[in-house]
Amino acid sequence: AQKITQTQPGMFVQEKEAVTLDCTYDTSDQSYGLFWYKQPSSGEMIFLIYQGSYDEQNATEGRYSLNFQKARKSANLVISASQLGDSAMYFCAMREGNAGGTSYGKLTFGQGTILTVHP
Amino acid sequence: DTEVTQTPKHLVMGMTNKKSLKCEQHMGHRAMYWYKQKAKKPPELMFVYSYEKLSINESVPSRFSPECPNSSLLNLHLHALQPEDSALYLCASSQLRSQINEKLFFGSGTQLSVL
Repeated sequence: AQKITQTQPGMFVQEKEAVTLDCTYDTSDQSYGLFWYKQPSSGEMIFLIYQGSYDEQNATEGRYSLNFQKARKSANLVISASQLGDSAMYFCAMREGNAGGTSYGKLTFGQGTILTVHP
Repeated sequence: DTEVTQTPKHLVMGMTNKKSLKCEQHMGHRAMYWYKQKAKKPPELMFVYSYEKLSINESVPSRFSPECPNSSLLNLHLHALQPEDSALYLCASSQLRSQINEKLFFGSGTQLSVL
């Protein structure tokens, strides 16, 4: 079974509009972390935002916010006021607390969503 | 600009060639990673180095040989690759605080084509 599911292969949004990219996850751990990365055509994976399983508030970083619904196991990324430069592939990822005894490196990525921002 | 630098950006090699990919970071990070990424797919973890020692090898074929000469440098030596090894190879680093929220910093990758 997939640990991270991103059901939207592609999304389109008009410039200056808001867009939500979906991410659901599957884990039996109580402690886990959820990450969103952006990958433009240049190839670099850029960290956007982090949400911990025990965080009571939804994470926000500038125009990015994370709609974290723990009971539904979803961690959707909301981008407000889309810009042309937001066109990229977006990956949701999870790190579980008991990942083979180590908690580093073992990020599980979803399949990604390609976001296209239209002028 | 990324703080993880990878060279070369593009590499074309034949199946009998030997080449190396290089990665450098100066953020004082003590963990470094190699990922392989096929087009429009998520990155797949290959190797993890912590404190310059190989700590994770995700059952990668021996034609890929990693090396970590010091805490700032990470190499990936390539020998007798197959066309299916063509991919984007991403290097990443992290502080190695072994905490859930530890984020990875990625380079821009080396686009490898094996002919």
